[in-house]
Amino acid sequence: SAVISQKPSRDICQRGTSLTIQCQVDSQVTMMFWYRQQPGQSLTLIATANQGSEATYESGFVIDKFPISRPNLTFSTLTVSNMSPEDSSIYLCSVFPTGNSWSEQFFGPGTRLTVL
Amino acid sequence: QQQVKQSPQSLIVQKGGISIINCAYENTAFDYFPWYQQFPGKGPALLIAIRPDVSEKKEGRFTISFNKSAKQFSLHIMDSQPGDSATYFCAASRNSGGSNYKLTFGKGTLLTVNP
Repeated sequence: SAVISQKPSRDICQRGTSLTIQCQVDSQVTMMFWYRQQPGQSLTLIATANQGSEATYESGFVIDKFPISRPNLTFSTLTVSNMSPEDSSIYLCSVFPTGNSWSEQFFGPGTRLTVL
Repeated sequence: QQQVKQSPQSLIVQKGGISIINCAYENTAFDYFPWYQQFPGKGPALLIAIRPDVSEKKEGRFTISFNKSAKQFSLHIMDSQPGDSATYFCAASRNSGGSNYKLTFGKGTLLTVNP
């Protein structure tokens, strides 16, 4: 299993500013993902962040807007840059623990972001 | 293009009743089909998952039924309890042979179980 913590748990930010979200895992994991969940909506994958390589972004998400760092096997950050009210969402990291291809993907508790 | 379609959007059942949520997928490369349960203010947590080599999987009160030819799968919650009230997401990914493990989620079903 994997226990994931995220910081901050929530924040209220002004338009045009940036926020960096941290994701810490209690064990080493190869694959880490960042998702966005807009209010009352489903989860949409932003990017895949594997240690030692550049993050891979999904269609509609770009590195300039959502830069990601993955310095080691237990930590990652997602920055939401030049924020607008449309960025108000819950941002979640998830991990796919090293090993069994059919093992569970674990999710963090999320960071609730409100942009004014 | 939504690759995983989930219905209904919301569901109300009485305590002790059966809750049924359905999903359909389009990408035949998907080979892993989990269901996640999410309570308000929490991240999604895996409830039960199935691979397409079986047609049914049961864990306690929760059962996944899988129809590969129809590209459909469903979650059945037997003897539904008020504590089951949550949002349920179906998902799909490709986890074998050159896979990327990326989950594609349905839009979610808000389940309310009345006491």
